[in-house]
Amino acid sequence: GENVEQHPSTLSVQEGDSAVIKCTYSDSASNYFPWYKQELGKRPQLIIDIRSNVGEKKDQRIAVTLNKTAKHFSLHITETQPEDSAVYFCAASIRTGNQFYFGTGTSLTVIP
Amino acid sequence: GAVVSQHPSWVICKSGTSVKIECRSLDFQATTMFWYRQFPKQSLMLMATSNEGSKATYEQGVEKDKFLINHASLTLSTLTVTSAHPEDSSFYICSARDREGVWEKLFFGSGTQLSVL
Repeated sequence: GENVEQHPSTLSVQEGDSAVIKCTYSDSASNYFPWYKQELGKRPQLIIDIRSNVGEKKDQRIAVTLNKTAKHFSLHITETQPEDSAVYFCAASIRTGNQFYFGTGTSLTVIP
Repeated sequence: GAVVSQHPSWVICKSGTSVKIECRSLDFQATTMFWYRQFPKQSLMLMATSNEGSKATYEQGVEKDKFLINHASLTLSTLTVTSAHPEDSSFYICSARDREGVWEKLFFGSGTQLSVL
């Protein structure tokens, strides 16, 4: 089955700096890669996703890149703000599959 | 995005009692829902896949008789923790897939914090 690895497990950045979280996956059949943000005690919220037919997607301060050859994808947050502090999870899925495979999470702290 | 409702959000129970958690897809039909368990500062641990009209598929190490799953309709799945013990205390989250074109996205319920005394 699919195996998703996520790094780093914790990340601290100064407000205004950029944050990058990286994930790798093992199953070349995976073709959908969502990112979730989870604040303490709350549900994971889908913040951005990318499909295997594109290499990059951007939504305001958030961007995701995908390298299918290397089987890795990354989340980029620019101009970080304290409210970006949360745990971020990456995931991989096959469009026609039944499962979403999650990374182990990255706890991001933005220092004011 | 699609809305998944989960109730209750918090439950405290005595050891030995059973607790039922409901997961509803409010604006879409979900043939498949997933149940996760999450410990503090840890990742989502998939417990089981709930399929409408059929038996749930449990992950290795998850006790079927302890965590009963019923997916009786296209909008409702329930997880019952039977004979709960303190070690079952955890944050339980459900999720459901909603189709967007040919792709399916995953949306989560708000979670249930279970505390067993």
